[in-house]
Amino acid sequence: RKEVEQDPGPFNVPEGATVAFNCTYSNSASQSFFWYRQDCRKEPKLLMSVYSSGNEDGRFTAQLNRASQYISLLIRDSKLSDSATYLCVVNIGGGADGLTFGKGTHLIIQP
Amino acid sequence: DTEVTQTPKHLVMGMTNKKSLKCEQHMGHRAMYWYKQKAKKPPELMFVYSYEKLSINESVPSRFSPECPNSSLLNLHLHALQPEDSALYLCASSQEVGRGNIQYFGAGTRLSVL
Repeated sequence: RKEVEQDPGPFNVPEGATVAFNCTYSNSASQSFFWYRQDCRKEPKLLMSVYSSGNEDGRFTAQLNRASQYISLLIRDSKLSDSATYLCVVNIGGGADGLTFGKGTHLIIQP
Repeated sequence: DTEVTQTPKHLVMGMTNKKSLKCEQHMGHRAMYWYKQKAKKPPELMFVYSYEKLSINESVPSRFSPECPNSSLLNLHLHALQPEDSALYLCASSQEVGRGNIQYFGAGTRLSVL
């Protein structure tokens, strides 16, 4: 079983729509959770950290469900510039301090 | 713009060459990382340095040799690479290793092995 699983998409979404991605992780000891965004041929950039209480940053909302071991990202009022690959990322911690990445969900916002 | 700087941006090398990738950060971070990313795949962790000491080596072949000369610099020495080693090599840093520490990535070195 893969450690971090995401639907690779692509998700083709009209501009202005709301889109949601989910991600599941297999290691219940995972301690930190993030969404990164990666544009084509660029480095991953942190979009937001994900907390059990949920967090919101403008049009973006992230949620963590530890009991079910899934993480979600909601994008409201999507913009053309939101087109990218969204990587669900988990840090197991406890000495294994690299990040484990999902394969990413490819989002295409269409005008 | 990223505060983690990687050089060179692009590198082409033959299988008998020796080259080095460099990474620098001036954020005072004490943890630095090397990742490898193949096309259409997520980054995969190679090495973790914490306080200039190697703490994790994810079973990387010895033709990749990391070095951390000081807290701001991280090198990756390459020797006798294979064509399948062609990839984007990403450096990252975080304040410390451990829970909750956000990793910031450099723009990467795109390596082609001929």
